[in-house]
Amino acid sequence: QKEVEQNSGPLSVPEGAIASLNCTYSDRVSQSFFWYRQYSGKSPELIMSIYSNGDKEDGRFTAQLNKASQYVSLLIRDSQPSDSATYLCAVDSGGSNYKLTFGKGTLLTVNP
Amino acid sequence: NAGVTQTPKFQVLKTGQSMTLQCAQDMNHNSMYWYRQDPGMGLRLIYYSASEGTTDKGEVPNGYNVSRLNKREFSLRLESAAPSQTSVYFCASSEGPTALRQYFGPGTRLTVT
Repeated sequence: QKEVEQNSGPLSVPEGAIASLNCTYSDRVSQSFFWYRQYSGKSPELIMSIYSNGDKEDGRFTAQLNKASQYVSLLIRDSQPSDSATYLCAVDSGGSNYKLTFGKGTLLTVNP
Repeated sequence: NAGVTQTPKFQVLKTGQSMTLQCAQDMNHNSMYWYRQDPGMGLRLIYYSASEGTTDKGEVPNGYNVSRLNKREFSLRLESAAPSQTSVYFCASSEGPTALRQYFGPGTRLTVT
C-alpha cells in the first residue's frame, strides 16, 4: 500500500512568517510530486508541481524535493491570512497506472 | 472553458436509493477520476479511467460503479446507497499518461439518511 504522510496540523503561523509544510512518501519509484491547496468547502487546486531533486520557486511558494529521503516540502514565505487552507501533498503511484496518492492534508492557519 | 463540471452540487438520498453523479471535462483530457473526501481521511480514489474505454478500481470501489461514456464524460453510480457513502465526491481529470496534474471539479455533497 503506497502511503503519503503529512502532519495533520493545525499549523498556526503569524502573518508575514514562513510556513513550512512537510510530506513523506513510501514508493521509491515515484517521479511526480504535487501540492494542492483546498479552502474549506472548495475543491483542491494545484499550486506547485516538482519532478527533480532540489528547489522550485513560484512567487511566495517554494517546493523542495529529496528523493533519497523520500521527502517533499512546501515553504510559503510572507504568509497571508488568505493562505489559510488545507494543503494536500500528492505523489504519483509509479509505473504507468496514471494515479496519484494524496496525503490527508495539513491545515494551515495564518493569524493576522 | 468550464474545466471540470459536476452535477448535482448537493443530494440527499434515503438508504437503498440509487443515483448517478455526472462529470464532464472540456480540456480534451484522456484520464478521469472519482474521489471521495471524508473528514480526517483525505482524498480516496474510488475508480479511474486512464483512457476512453477503460476503467479501473481505486482504493475504495465497493458500492460504486462507473461508466466512461465518451472522452468528455465519466459517471459514478450508487446502486443502493448506504449511510457510509455520505461524503463529498470530487471528479478530476488529467492529460495522462505522463502528465498527471489533476484538475478538480467543484464537488458533490451527498448525504444518505
